[in-house]
Amino acid sequence: AQSVTQPDIHITVSEGASLELRCNYSYGATPYLFWYVQSPGQGLQLLLKYFSGDTLVQGIKGFEAEFKRSQSSFNLRKPSVHWSDAAEYFCAVGISSNDYKLSFGAGTTVTVRA
Amino acid sequence: NAGVTQTPKFQVLKTGQSMTLQCAQDMNHNSMYWYRQDPGMGLRLIYYSASEGTTDKGEVPNGYNVSRLNKREFSLRLESAAPSQTSVYFCASSEYSGRFYNEQFFGPGTRLTVL
Repeated sequence: AQSVTQPDIHITVSEGASLELRCNYSYGATPYLFWYVQSPGQGLQLLLKYFSGDTLVQGIKGFEAEFKRSQSSFNLRKPSVHWSDAAEYFCAVGISSNDYKLSFGAGTTVTVRA
Repeated sequence: NAGVTQTPKFQVLKTGQSMTLQCAQDMNHNSMYWYRQDPGMGLRLIYYSASEGTTDKGEVPNGYNVSRLNKREFSLRLESAAPSQTSVYFCASSEYSGRFYNEQFFGPGTRLTVL
């Protein structure tokens, strides 16, 4: 079965600094990869997704992610964080296009300090 | 266009009580999902419905049942609530295109406490 690992439980970053969130997956072939964000008390919102093609994908809110097959990673980055980026971020993996089930990582909580 | 709606937003139950969580989507999506979110564990799939008329177990189905009432609605039932079912429950939906892994759209969640 596929699995998703987000090694960092909590990251604190200063406003204006860069941010990188790590995601590693375990699956034989190239999975479908997603990053979701959850603001406090809210549901999840899709930031970006990767299916194939260009390994650097752009998403909403200034986020980007890079797929690295050799490292089985799909790390999320933002060059300059804003206070509104404080949230919980989830990496998700899908392998079956029959039912679109996703496996989620445990999440990384991002705190932004002024 | 409300997207995915869930009711109720909050609920407190006593052990052994039953309840149904309601979910509806107005995006004409084929597939719907129920997840639970617990601290440090991310989201875990309870049940899903790939299309109207079908339901299947996910990763953590024990203690739950579901009904795909029609294309819009997918309910989750706890027949005899246990403290271990204290969690935040999310409903999601996605379009089935036959080829691509489409985005799942999430509702705002139901926060359930079982005493």
